[in-house]
Amino acid sequence: DQQVKQNSPSLSVQEGRISILNCDYTNSMFDYFLWYKKYPAEGPTFLISISSIKDKNEDGRFTVFLNKSAKHLSLHIVPSQPGDSAVYFCAASGTEGSQGNLIFGKGTKLSVKP
Amino acid sequence: NAGVMQNPRHLVRRRGQEARLRCSPMKGHSHVYWYRQLPEEGLKFMVYLQKENIIDESGMPKERFSAEFPKEGPSILRIQQVVRGDSAAYFCASSPQLGETQYFGPGTRLLVL
Repeated sequence: DQQVKQNSPSLSVQEGRISILNCDYTNSMFDYFLWYKKYPAEGPTFLISISSIKDKNEDGRFTVFLNKSAKHLSLHIVPSQPGDSAVYFCAASGTEGSQGNLIFGKGTKLSVKP
Repeated sequence: NAGVMQNPRHLVRRRGQEARLRCSPMKGHSHVYWYRQLPEEGLKFMVYLQKENIIDESGMPKERFSAEFPKEGPSILRIQQVVRGDSAAYFCASSPQLGETQYFGPGTRLLVL
């Protein structure tokens, strides 16, 4: 039973446009959410995070939005660049009954075309 | 300022052999996490350790897998009597404190023949 779902396996966007990656979760005890970017044959690289007390966090070209009532978060990248092409993982954690383990989605492969 | 180090990057084993994966956390980080990624899947949590202690091993298979993080030296993930299904990428992450951002190493890709 997947607690973190990324329903789009892939996304293709034109350079300069906005990329929107979506993530849904089922466990209402999650209180901290992260996005990681992963290139082939490398480890995930931390991008941006958001805690459940906020609904938006921005860092340069990256913005994460959290809608707790819908149990949904999204990552916006604007403007998209070819170097953003990678697999993006959404991850969640909660303090209730856990000790810091992250629950990952299956990832969305973003392709930014020049 | 070195990041999380993992070695080896690639490891090939025959069925029945042992695999040892090493992870050195970032400087100043005392919390280590191991994750496994199967092909076309997301990362799955295995175990969380602090120095000399296993804090959460709820994601570890009950048999053949063990992990340690000694007082000195890297964290070790050990897989005994490997089987083909153990073939995966194994990632280590570290954080300075519980609940803080986890930073990942480059992973060890294990192939069991």
